Amino acid sequence: DAGVIQSPRHEVTEMGQEVTLRCKPISGHDYLFWYRQTMMRGLELLIYFNNNVPIDDSGMPEDRFSAKMPNASFSTLKIQPSEPRDSAVYFCASSLGTGAYQETQYFGPGTRLLVL
Amino acid sequence: AQSVTQPDIHITVSEGASLELRCNYSYGATPYLFWYVQSPGQGLQLLLKYFSGDTLVQGIKGFEAEFKRSQSSFNLRKPSVHWSDAAEYFCAVGAGDTGRRALTFGSGTRLQVQP
Repeated sequence: DAGVIQSPRHEVTEMGQEVTLRCKPISGHDYLFWYRQTMMRGLELLIYFNNNVPIDDSGMPEDRFSAKMPNASFSTLKIQPSEPRDSAVYFCASSLGTGAYQETQYFGPGTRLLVL
Repeated sequence: AQSVTQPDIHITVSEGASLELRCNYSYGATPYLFWYVQSPGQGLQLLLKYFSGDTLVQGIKGFEAEFKRSQSSFNLRKPSVHWSDAAEYFCAVGAGDTGRRALTFGSGTRLQVQP
């Protein structure tokens, strides 16, 4: 079974450009998470969805960031306009929604973003 | 709010030696604890998790971890390290009983293995 799929794996762009990161969660998973990894701040949650509905977006840095989940098998994270400080590795993760308090999150390979 | 501390930023061990990576958490209720490993340029792979029950949990690749409530710790151990274990290790805590599903990660410990 395929794991979490992210694209692109690497993205280099110039400041001010729009960047769109994509994620396909594991089939049947109800939760989807976007995390960002930087040297300074480590791994931090940006936003997560349950059944395509955003539940917690308190980690989204500012209005330049937006995330959508139009259906159960696809999510996007968009940065517009991008800035050099957005350079990071962006991870998508998904988990089941069994009703248990906590389920294991499975991570994608990440998108390494460099904003020049 | 929950938090995780990994006191060791970088650890170097010799191949075949034992390993212990430290993790301390802060959370008022029973935590849900995880260890993930990240190889260079890769995503995070789950090593093991603790939700409840036996406080000594076994994971993949020969790793184990012990939950000690009195010390608020969840240290990761391996009796004999292999060169392929060189990677970065992250401890994480979940507060699922609050309804919040996101994980809070520690800052990571980078493991280097000497031949």
